[in-house]
Amino acid sequence: DQQVKQNSPSLSVQEGRISILNCDYTNSMFDYFLWYKKYPAEGPTFLISISSIKDKNEDGRFTVFLNKSAKHLSLHIVPSQPGDSAVYFCAARVGGSQGNLIFGKGTKLSVKP
Amino acid sequence: NAGVTQTPKFRVLKTGQSMTLLCAQDMNHEYMYWYRQDPGMGLRLIHYSVGEGTTAKGEVPDGYNVSRLKKQNFLLGLESAAPSQTSVYFCASRRDASSGNTIYFGEGSWLTVV
Repeated sequence: DQQVKQNSPSLSVQEGRISILNCDYTNSMFDYFLWYKKYPAEGPTFLISISSIKDKNEDGRFTVFLNKSAKHLSLHIVPSQPGDSAVYFCAARVGGSQGNLIFGKGTKLSVKP
Repeated sequence: NAGVTQTPKFRVLKTGQSMTLLCAQDMNHEYMYWYRQDPGMGLRLIHYSVGEGTTAKGEVPDGYNVSRLKKQNFLLGLESAAPSQTSVYFCASRRDASSGNTIYFGEGSWLTVV
């Protein structure tokens, strides 16, 4: 059973507009949530994260929102740029000393000029 | 600073052959991971290590073995390759348990088993 779900396999947005990528989770024991960005033929790179005790974290054009009661988080990119076109993975960290990450299936974002 | 380096980058194997993927990190990280990525499946953890000489199973360990004889290296072995192991393999590392959230990935190794 998937613990981290990204229900939209793809998203297309116009340059300059907002991109909203969504992620749902089922495990209440997750203590950190992360977003990774992946370009073709490259490894994923860390983008932004949020602790389970917060509801918002912002870094430049990227903002992550966490709604614990709904077990839902979202990544907002404003304004979207063509270089943002990539696959975005939502990941959650299992609390504890090892803190392994569980990844969603990813959402492919296409930002059109 | 190379970060996380994986070799080889591409490999084609015949069913039943064996091979080893090498991951090397130069960041003095304690934790290392092997993931596989398949279409529509995201990243799934195969094995991981929390320090030199330690290994542990992840979500999809069957058919793979690992070793962490040196802190900077994490080897992933396929003893008898199967077509189901055709995938992209990513190695990753993290400083330690207190480093919070950031893990660093290598560029990936594309493996095809025919």
